[in-house]
Amino acid sequence: TQLLEQSPQFLSIQEGENLTVYCNSSSVFSSLQWYRQEPGEGPVLLVTVVTGGEVKKLKRLTFQFGDARKDSSLHITAAQPGDTGLYLCADISNFGNEKLTFGTGTRLTIIP
Amino acid sequence: KAGVTQTPRYLIKTRGQQVTLSCSPISGHRSVSWYQQTPGQGLQFLFEYFSETQRNKGNFPGRFSGRQFSNSRSEMNVSTLELGDSALYLCASRMLNTEAFFGQGTRLTVV
Repeated sequence: TQLLEQSPQFLSIQEGENLTVYCNSSSVFSSLQWYRQEPGEGPVLLVTVVTGGEVKKLKRLTFQFGDARKDSSLHITAAQPGDTGLYLCADISNFGNEKLTFGTGTRLTIIP
Repeated sequence: KAGVTQTPRYLIKTRGQQVTLSCSPISGHRSVSWYQQTPGQGLQFLFEYFSETQRNKGNFPGRFSGRQFSNSRSEMNVSTLELGDSALYLCASRMLNTEAFFGQGTRLTVV
């Protein structure tokens, strides 16, 4: 069974600071996705990465996929209160059965 | 377009009862998956339906079951509720090999 560990579990920082959260898998990812979940809502997809070493940018968010496809990081520049939420990494099975295996999550709070 | 709709949003049940949750996917989406989210275990996959057939199932006891109708709407049922079944139940719909869209979830509390 694949295990996805995210760190840190909780992170609270001031508005304007930079931060990085991590996701490590016990086995090679099929495809890695990052989600953000706000209170009272379901997770919303931020990005999908497939290729080892891939870097994707989404405004102030930078996603990096490890060369060995077993780890990933999410870096946020100049954090804003709207970035507050639960960040989840997930592996999507590519065997046609549409199953997402989620990480343990990082709960991020940005203090105005 | 309308998103994924889950009903009800909140539910309180007593131990031993059963419960049925509903999920209406985005129009045109034929795949519906269900997940359980708890503080201790995080988000865990329950099962996935495509064209009325269960294609994959997670590691949950047989008390958890589901079905999908011809219009792609899906229901999940939990029988003989236990306190540990208290959770946020999320469903997600997708077209094949595309992004999954999640509903807001049903918050189930078992007392």
